[in-house]
Amino acid sequence: AQTVTQSQPEMSVQEAETVTLSCTYDTSESDYYLFWYKQPPSRQMILVIRQEAYKQQNATENRFSVNFQKAAKSFSLKISDSQLGDAAMYFCAYRSELGAQKLVFGQGTRLTINP
Amino acid sequence: DGGITQSPKYLFRKEGQNVTLSCEQNLNHDAMYWYRQDPGQGLRLIYYSQIVNDFQKGDIAEGYSVSREKKESFPLTVTSAQKNPTAFYLCASSQQGRGTEAFFGQGTRLTVV
Repeated sequence: AQTVTQSQPEMSVQEAETVTLSCTYDTSESDYYLFWYKQPPSRQMILVIRQEAYKQQNATENRFSVNFQKAAKSFSLKISDSQLGDAAMYFCAYRSELGAQKLVFGQGTRLTINP
Repeated sequence: DGGITQSPKYLFRKEGQNVTLSCEQNLNHDAMYWYRQDPGQGLRLIYYSQIVNDFQKGDIAEGYSVSREKKESFPLTVTSAQKNPTAFYLCASSQQGRGTEAFFGQGTRLTVV
């Protein structure tokens, strides 16, 4: 079974600075996607960014980018120019593209932005 | 507006009672999911359904039941057999296809009193 591990329960960063959230995963499959979801205090889950395992190029979405290291099974999220609205729980998730497309989540990292 | 609606937002249950959490989507998605969220444990999959009239157990299905009689609806029943039901429950749906985004409802907070 696939597992996802987020080893940082909490992180904090100064406003306008850059922060990196870590995620590792374990799988024997080759066809999968990785996601980062954000859960603000409203508890509404929001997709931040996704990465296809077959693509070597790291995904970027405005201030959000990933560092995808397939061999190391690592998928970190970098947030540049941190804003107060970035404060949230961040979840890393894995999804196999074979069979049922279920999301497997990590434990989450709570990100605090200091003004 | 298209989206997923969960109700109620807060639910209180006495020990020994069954309760049903509602999840409705108007996104025309085939797949629907139920997750349980506990502090420090992320989201864990309870049940999922890829098509009407079919559903599969997830990682923590014991004490829960579901039905999928309509494409847009996927209710979750928390039975008295669930030993620790107090948690935050999230429903999600997604379109079949590569890398498709899962859309989530706003959740139901269930408390056993």
